[in-house]
Amino acid sequence: AQSVTQLGSHVSVSEGALVLLRCNYSSSVPPYLFWYVQYPNQGLQLLLKYTSAATLVKGINGFEAEFKKSETSFHLTKPSAHMSDAAEYFCAVSARYGNKLVFGAGTILRVKS
Amino acid sequence: KAGVTQTPRYLIKTRGQQVTLSCSPISGHRSVSWYQQTPGQGLQFLFEYFSETQRNKGNFPGRFSGRQFSNSRSEMNVSTLELGDSALYLCASSLGQDRREQYFGPGTRLTVT
Repeated sequence: AQSVTQLGSHVSVSEGALVLLRCNYSSSVPPYLFWYVQYPNQGLQLLLKYTSAATLVKGINGFEAEFKKSETSFHLTKPSAHMSDAAEYFCAVSARYGNKLVFGAGTILRVKS
Repeated sequence: KAGVTQTPRYLIKTRGQQVTLSCSPISGHRSVSWYQQTPGQGLQFLFEYFSETQRNKGNFPGRFSGRQFSNSRSEMNVSTLELGDSALYLCASSLGQDRREQYFGPGTRLTVT
């Protein structure tokens, strides 16, 4: 079975500071991993995905994530936070078959000016 | 390409009624998945349809059902609504092959009173 744990339901950073959102996964098969962002009253937008190619994955809006098999982690980072990054972020792992996603509980990112 | 569209965006229903939500996937996408999002339970997978067949199903009661049409558009139905069915219902589409990234619509906000 697949599962995802996101450490920290709320993260607060200053504008211009490093953003680090943590995600650990459990998967019985080689994992396919995704990060999504959700702005208030909107659906989920795909930030990036890992599908067993390069372990460092670059996404949209300056975000990237590194897959570390030994740590079963897929943390999301951005070198410099912007006010527009304030949103809720979800890490997800794909099930073995089909397109079912198992999501973490989400992390709300607050960016302080 | 146009994104995933969902109608209606907002809905208010009374306990015991039934409701039908609609989702139009991105052109060319053959897989449609439905998710329920609530503050308490987070994002939970309802079901996935591919080529008019249900391919995956989550742990929801039989009151939740869905279908997909030959043009890949999908509907989900909830019968005998309960207060706990109040949620944001998200539809996502993907190309169809296993474990592909999914693109989400804006959601339908269902309130049951």
